[in-house]
Amino acid sequence: EVQLVESGGGLEQPGKSLRLSCAASGFSFDDYAMHWVRQVPGKGLEWVSGISWNSRSIGYADSVKGRFTISRDNAKKSLYLQMNSLRAEDTAFYYCAKQKRPDGYFDLWGRGTLVTVSS
Amino acid sequence: SYVLTQPPSVSVAPGQTARITCGGDNIGSESVHWYQQMPGQAPVLVVYDDTDRPSGIPERFSGSNSENTATLTISRVEVGDEADYYCQVWESRSDRVVFGGGTKLTVL
Repeated sequence: EVQLVESGGGLEQPGKSLRLSCAASGFSFDDYAMHWVRQVPGKGLEWVSGISWNSRSIGYADSVKGRFTISRDNAKKSLYLQMNSLRAEDTAFYYCAKQKRPDGYFDLWGRGTLVTVSS
Repeated sequence: SYVLTQPPSVSVAPGQTARITCGGDNIGSESVHWYQQMPGQAPVLVVYDDTDRPSGIPERFSGSNSENTATLTISRVEVGDEADYYCQVWESRSDRVVFGGGTKLTVL
């Protein structure tokens, strides 16, 4: 089955760290760029970060630059998001998404994992 | 950074046509993609590259893009089309993804 499954969300305190994972199956993971998109409950979609198929091209939203690190392991068909120095405003559902082509759209999304940052 | 502007809400009666706009500076020169998000679910692609539909998306969903406005058109709207809709582009200058703020479609 073609799918993306996120994991690693949960409750964490401000200033702490969390690592999200996204397991891919059913497609050639190493052919595609992958991204993280987040959504505060009840609010809109916000792009967080993206990584090219070979990890040579990486981008971050200004809101997370310097705190979050995206990475991937093509052998394990997995995408990661290391989240450091967490803030209350990082509370959101985090989705991983497969990008059909380097400058294009997301044709496959995971169901998301909820990150809550609170003391 | 590039900004995409969507109306917060659009209301339409069943069977009518809904038009959801996405405004951006010279957006007509970009490829615009549209997602539907039902409550509690992940987004689903409904239109890509301005006008194309993924397999499985009804022909009632169509898109257009010109000058400063892209539009998602839903014909013969059904109650099941009630959802949030987001437009998206790839900002080539910065290699970043940009989403519109989203539009809640209400079927009266």
